[in-house]
Amino acid sequence: AQTVTQSQPEMSVQEAETVTLSCTYDTSESDYYLFWYKQPPSRQMILVIRQEAYKQQNATENRFSVNFQKAAKSFSLKISDSQLGDAAMYFCASDNAGNMLTFGGGTRLMVKP
Amino acid sequence: NAGVMQNPRHLVRRRGQEARLRCSPMKGHSHVYWYRQLPEEGLKFMVYLQKENIIDESGMPKERFSAEFPKEGPSILRIQQVVRGDSAAYFCASSPSVGSFRDTEAFFGQGTRLTVV
Repeated sequence: AQTVTQSQPEMSVQEAETVTLSCTYDTSESDYYLFWYKQPPSRQMILVIRQEAYKQQNATENRFSVNFQKAAKSFSLKISDSQLGDAAMYFCASDNAGNMLTFGGGTRLMVKP
Repeated sequence: NAGVMQNPRHLVRRRGQEARLRCSPMKGHSHVYWYRQLPEEGLKFMVYLQKENIIDESGMPKERFSAEFPKEGPSILRIQQVVRGDSAAYFCASSPSVGSFRDTEAFFGQGTRLTVV
């Protein structure tokens, strides 16, 4: 069984600043991927970034990057130069053979102008 | 190419009624996944279907819930005799093949918010 834990129910960041969202996971799989999804008020689930567990290099997508610590089973998301449009719920997830995602409870990110 | 379409966006049912939620996958997608999001929680996997087949229903409640994905038409998630605890947002995702979440080729719809009164 897989579990994903997000210990920060809410986070706040000033516009243009940097914020880090935490995520820890537990899995018995040797081959797995990790994901961060964004859910704005529209409820649409939008993929932000993904990490292949066998790759040591941390994934980066523009202002979004991850800090993947495999031994510690930690997968945090860093958002640089935060923008008002980044305000949303953020969900960390792990997968099972690419077909089933296990999500954490989410972190609500607020961006202050 | 339209995205994953779910309807209705909002559905209100009285206790004991039936709820039918529809999911039309993206064009060319033959795999459908249903997830449930309870208030203030993350999404929980319910069922994974391919055309005319249920592949994995390990997250589906044993009673009152069923899902289908016929050869023609949308996938349907059916909840019989709804109770207040069924109030949630139900999301559908679709993909062209197995393992597509890894290939970033799986996409979610905007969900159906079910309210049971």
